Amino acid sequence: AQTVTQSQPEMSVQEAETVTLSCTYDTSESDYYLFWYKQPPSRQMILVIRQEAYKQQNATENRFSVNFQKAAKSFSLKISDSQLGDAAMYFCAYRSPYSGGGADGLTFGKGTHLIIQP
Amino acid sequence: KAGVTQTPRYLIKTRGQQVTLSCSPISGHRSVSWYQQTPGQGLQFLFEYFSETQRNKGNFPGRFSGRQFSNSRSEMNVSTLELGDSALYLCASSLGPDRGTTGELFFGEGSRLTVL
Repeated sequence: AQTVTQSQPEMSVQEAETVTLSCTYDTSESDYYLFWYKQPPSRQMILVIRQEAYKQQNATENRFSVNFQKAAKSFSLKISDSQLGDAAMYFCAYRSPYSGGGADGLTFGKGTHLIIQP
Repeated sequence: KAGVTQTPRYLIKTRGQQVTLSCSPISGHRSVSWYQQTPGQGLQFLFEYFSETQRNKGNFPGRFSGRQFSNSRSEMNVSTLELGDSALYLCASSLGPDRGTTGELFFGEGSRLTVL
């Protein structure tokens, strides 16, 4: 079974600065999806960014980018120009692709609580 | 486009009772999955449905069950409630298990279950 580890329970950053959230995972598969989800205090989980394992190029979505190191099984999220609205729990998640054998849903890390200091 | 809708948002039950939670996916999405979120265990996969069939099930006891209807709406049921079942139950929908999809899940706001 796959596992996802987020080693930072909580991170704090000054507004407008850059912060990097860490995520490592363990899998024997070669093809998979990786995600960062954001869960604000209102609780709805929102997709921040997605990475397909077969793509070597790191995904970028505006101020959010990832550093995907497949060999190291590392998938960190960088948030540039942090804003107060970025304050939330951030979850790293792994998903197997549908390849005939079914999938086990998303495997989540424990999450990182990101605090933005004004 | 309406998002994933979960009802009820909050509910309180007592031990031994049963509960049914409902989830309406995004229009056009045929896959629905359920997750349990607790402070101690984090987010755990319960099960996934596609075309009214359970495709996968997480490591939960048989007291947890679900179903999906022909309109893709889904319900999950927990029987003989225990204190440890207190949690936020999240439903997520996606297009379906086809290669070439993004694998992205869209989540509802969740149903907060408290068991007394």
